[in-house]
Amino acid sequence: KAGVTQTPRYLIKTRGQQVTLSCSPISGHRSVSWYQQTPGQGLQFLFEYFSETQRNKGNFPGRFSGRQFSNSRSEMNVSTLELGDSALYLCASSLTGGMNTEAFFGQGTRLTVV
Amino acid sequence: GENVEQHPSTLSVQEGDSAVIKCTYSDSASNYFPWYKQELGKGPQLIIDIRSNVGEKKDQRIAVTLNKTAKHFSLHITETQPEDSAVYFCAATNYGQNFVFGPGTRLSVLP
Repeated sequence: KAGVTQTPRYLIKTRGQQVTLSCSPISGHRSVSWYQQTPGQGLQFLFEYFSETQRNKGNFPGRFSGRQFSNSRSEMNVSTLELGDSALYLCASSLTGGMNTEAFFGQGTRLTVV
Repeated sequence: GENVEQHPSTLSVQEGDSAVIKCTYSDSASNYFPWYKQELGKGPQLIIDIRSNVGEKKDQRIAVTLNKTAKHFSLHITETQPEDSAVYFCAATNYGQNFVFGPGTRLSVLP
């Protein structure tokens, strides 16, 4: 069974640009969550999607957005990039995010903003 | 909202010894507590989890204990091996909500 796949693995962007990251969950999983990981702030929740709807949202500015497609694949977008957005962005998939809350992470996308 | 604390931040043990990492949580409604291991350059890997209706769970050399009254849970690794060296994260969640992670513990197993 294939795991969670995130693309690309590495990205370098310039301040002010925008970026789109992709996450393909484990087959059959319908919940996808996104996290930002930095040395200073640790793992912080961005948002969760379930059946193409955003179900939960963390405390990040509106520059961070996401969506989920009918095949459960998810994308997150960051607009007007800032230096502080440099981080490892992780997505986690789970069956439903409810009673079955085991969540499995991808390898992450390392975003560097210069 | 939920807040998760984790101690120690770094831990060094001799190969073969045991390692214990402790976490406390603030929200009494939290009912699912996973532990993740993250190796350099990789995403977090789920290694064990426990639900609030269980006090202890074991999987080979790894065990987790939960004290709901005191709102703390611990990861126990016995007979540590060099490949156990990694950063370990605890997390807490209420069903249907997002995970709140602890800040992590860097475990070094010295040969």
